[in-house]
Amino acid sequence: QQQVKQSPQSLIVQKGGISIINCAYENTAFDYFPWYQQFPGKGPALLIAIRPDVSEKKEGRFTISFNKSAKQFSLHIMDSQPGDSATYFCARGNGGSQGNLIFGKGTKLSVKP
Amino acid sequence: DGGITQSPKYLFRKEGQNVTLSCEQNLNHDAMYWYRQDPGQGLRLIYYSQIVNDFQKGDIAEGYSVSREKKESFPLTVTSAQKNPTAFYLCASNQVRTDTQYFGPGTRLTVL
Repeated sequence: QQQVKQSPQSLIVQKGGISIINCAYENTAFDYFPWYQQFPGKGPALLIAIRPDVSEKKEGRFTISFNKSAKQFSLHIMDSQPGDSATYFCARGNGGSQGNLIFGKGTKLSVKP
Repeated sequence: DGGITQSPKYLFRKEGQNVTLSCEQNLNHDAMYWYRQDPGQGLRLIYYSQIVNDFQKGDIAEGYSVSREKKESFPLTVTSAQKNPTAFYLCASNQVRTDTQYFGPGTRLTVL
């Protein structure tokens, strides 16, 4: 099974700082790379997603950077806030007739006031 | 409100018992999924279904069974054959040939 490798496992950032989470994948056939945010005891919610035809996508304080040649993509959270404290999952999907997603193992982010 | 509902939120089961987790969606999505979440393990796919009366095994299907008799419902049965069933179970759905999956609130199963 093609994996998605996510790092770090946990991250502590001061309020106002930049949080950076990285993911790497193995197969260039994938064409959809979402990030999900999950609060304790809740289901994950889509945060932002990118396709490999662009190198960067920004939505508010959240930015995905995509490096196709390195097979890596990352999530940047600018001006991190305590309310951003959650677990973040990257994933890859191959679209088409199968909507399956393969998830990374998650990064637990804590933003300190 | 459109969305995915899972019930119950918490479930306790004795060893050797089968238990069924409910998942219902009113998003008119064709595809539905069941994932298992363990601490530090991410989300792992148990079963998925892209159309009524059809479903496929995911990566960790052993000890689980599903049915898809209606478009809006995809119940998951955790059987006594599942060696380590204590986990957080998540149901998701999307339209076939679209990528964004929407998740339910989850069911936490504890085997006593």
